[in-house]
Amino acid sequence: AQRVTQPEKLLSVFKGAPVELKCNYSYSGSPELFWYVQYSRQRLQLLLRHISRESIKGFTADLNKGETSFHLKKPFAQEEDSAMYYCANTGNQFYFGTGTSLTVIP
Amino acid sequence: DAGVTQSPTHLIKTRGQQVTLRCSPKSGHDTVSWYQQALGQGPQFIFQYYEEEERQRGNFPDRFSGHQFPNYSSELNVNALLLGDSALYLCASSATGWTEAFFGQGTRLTVV
Repeated sequence: AQRVTQPEKLLSVFKGAPVELKCNYSYSGSPELFWYVQYSRQRLQLLLRHISRESIKGFTADLNKGETSFHLKKPFAQEEDSAMYYCANTGNQFYFGTGTSLTVIP
Repeated sequence: DAGVTQSPTHLIKTRGQQVTLRCSPKSGHDTVSWYQQALGQGPQFIFQYYEEEERQRGNFPDRFSGHQFPNYSSELNVNALLLGDSALYLCASSATGWTEAFFGQGTRLTVV
């Protein structure tokens, strides 16, 4: 079964500090992993997908098959990064983690 | 393009009643998926429709059913509503061959 685990429900960091949101997956095949973000009063939207290996809004995420992780990182957090972040794994359907609420303290 | 649109935005129903939620996919998308998001939880996959057929289904009872129309829009029906069905119901659309899903704003269902 495809599952993702986000161990932290809440995460607070100061503006300008590095931030890392953790995601671990369990999938025996080749996973397709995504990070989705939901800003206050907005719809869920795609932030990153691992296959594109891109950086969006300063965020990056590297797939580590050895550790079965897909952590989301940003070197310098900004106040506008405060949001709910979901890691998702997809094969024929999306499996979402329970989400991490990030608060960036001014 | 209005993106994925869902209606209604809010709904209150009584236990035992039936409800129908509607979703119009993003232009160019032919695949629609439905999710249930309880308070404080991540979205839980209900089912996915493609070519007017249910292609995949999550761990939801048969009280949850759906339909996709020739114009790719979709409905989610829930029968015999339970208090535990209270949640935000999300619709997401994607294009064949792409895994990126675009989400609607959701329908907030409250069962009393």
